[in-house]
Amino acid sequence: DSGVTQTPKHLITATGQRVTLRCSPRSGDLSVYWYQQSLDQGLQFLIQYYNGEERAKGNILERFSAQQFPDLHSELNLSSLELGDSALYFCASCPSGRSQETQYFGPGTRLLVL
Amino acid sequence: KNEVEQSPQNLTAQEGEFITINCSYSVGISALHWLQQHPGGGIVSLFMLSSGKKKHGRLIATINIQEKHSSLHITASHPRDSAVYICAVIPLNQFYFGTGTSLTVIP
Repeated sequence: DSGVTQTPKHLITATGQRVTLRCSPRSGDLSVYWYQQSLDQGLQFLIQYYNGEERAKGNILERFSAQQFPDLHSELNLSSLELGDSALYFCASCPSGRSQETQYFGPGTRLLVL
Repeated sequence: KNEVEQSPQNLTAQEGEFITINCSYSVGISALHWLQQHPGGGIVSLFMLSSGKKKHGRLIATINIQEKHSSLHITASHPRDSAVYICAVIPLNQFYFGTGTSLTVIP
């Protein structure tokens, strides 16, 4: 158990819908990362937050947005969902968000868009 | 264009064999991570490297910054090592992942 929690574990929805994925980092960790893992693209970095502020952005679509709240949990919002958004979404946390830090991964949310 | 290339893509080994997984990258980096993804999907970070070599139990990871290459070695492989191993490189504020090496260790 990494200490990072993600909810829900599974999510099935329809095209055009909007969903919110939630991530609670390890106690004391200030930085949260979001990743998408699909069968055709593999793992991709979406976005990083540190202590409530966006720190780095990767291949995040404009239909996706994220935020980190004062209690440090983070939410990833996916809107106007398409079939291709079906994937595993992971969050990870680390203490200060430096690249040389070990990241601790949550169990992931499996999203299926029908 | 793939910033990270891993080889081999698939690997089957007999229990006890020495295993090497390679990762080559094309960008300047501040760190390189080796990740392990279990069949159930969970991801664990094995190593973070910025230079040299690290060892943890039967796992050894090395990096050669000049050659832009890293290797992950597993000594005395065991069926519980069966997983996908993923290399991730970190240039400034970005993350690029290899496509992974699927390892199966047969008893």
